[in-house]
Amino acid sequence: AQKVTQAQTEISVVEKEDVTLDCVYETRDTTYYLFWYKQPPSGELVFLIRRNSFDEQNEISGRYSWNFQKSTSSFNFTITASQVVDSAVYFCALSRAAGTYKYIFGTGTRLKVLA
Amino acid sequence: ETGVTQTPRHLVMGMTNKKSLKCEQHLGHNAMYWYKQSAKKPLELMFVYSLEERVENNSVPSRFSPECPNSSHLFLHLHTLQPEDSALYLCASSPRGRTGRYTTNEKLFFGSGTQLSVL
Repeated sequence: AQKVTQAQTEISVVEKEDVTLDCVYETRDTTYYLFWYKQPPSGELVFLIRRNSFDEQNEISGRYSWNFQKSTSSFNFTITASQVVDSAVYFCALSRAAGTYKYIFGTGTRLKVLA
Repeated sequence: ETGVTQTPRHLVMGMTNKKSLKCEQHLGHNAMYWYKQSAKKPLELMFVYSLEERVENNSVPSRFSPECPNSSHLFLHLHTLQPEDSALYLCASSPRGRTGRYTTNEKLFFGSGTQLSVL
């Protein structure tokens, strides 16, 4: 069975602090994809990153960085120098490589960045 | 603006009402999804259409009835709902292939959702 766990329900930080959102996944597949989405107050989930299981390189995009570690089944997301606009709910998701249209989402982590 | 538009944004309905949610995408995608988002729960996949054919029906009660007249439009018809059906209903689209043949695992493009309250 596939599962995504985001143990942090809500995190509050002060602006300019760094924050890491945890994502732990379970799958028996050898090929799979991992995603992060951001859901601002407006409601729509916005895609942030996709990573396939064969690519363990960490990625940095501006203030965002992602740490993928297959050994611990984790795909953590770090925001450096957080800003108020980063306040949102962040979802981690898992997808099989083929044979399904299902994405398995975590329960989300609500991030509040205080000015 | 993600290119996926949902209407209405908010809906309040009684348990005996019939209403419909509408989703429209302008991205040329060929797969469309309905998700249910309830507080403190993972997003729950309800239905998937690929090229106007339903390819996934995730054990959803029959009081929810989807319709996909073309690859740009998706509806969710609601009737005799229960209070526990109150949630945010999200539509999404992606550039998927035909049923069962190939999945690209492309990113999903979401609408802003319809916040549904059932009284």
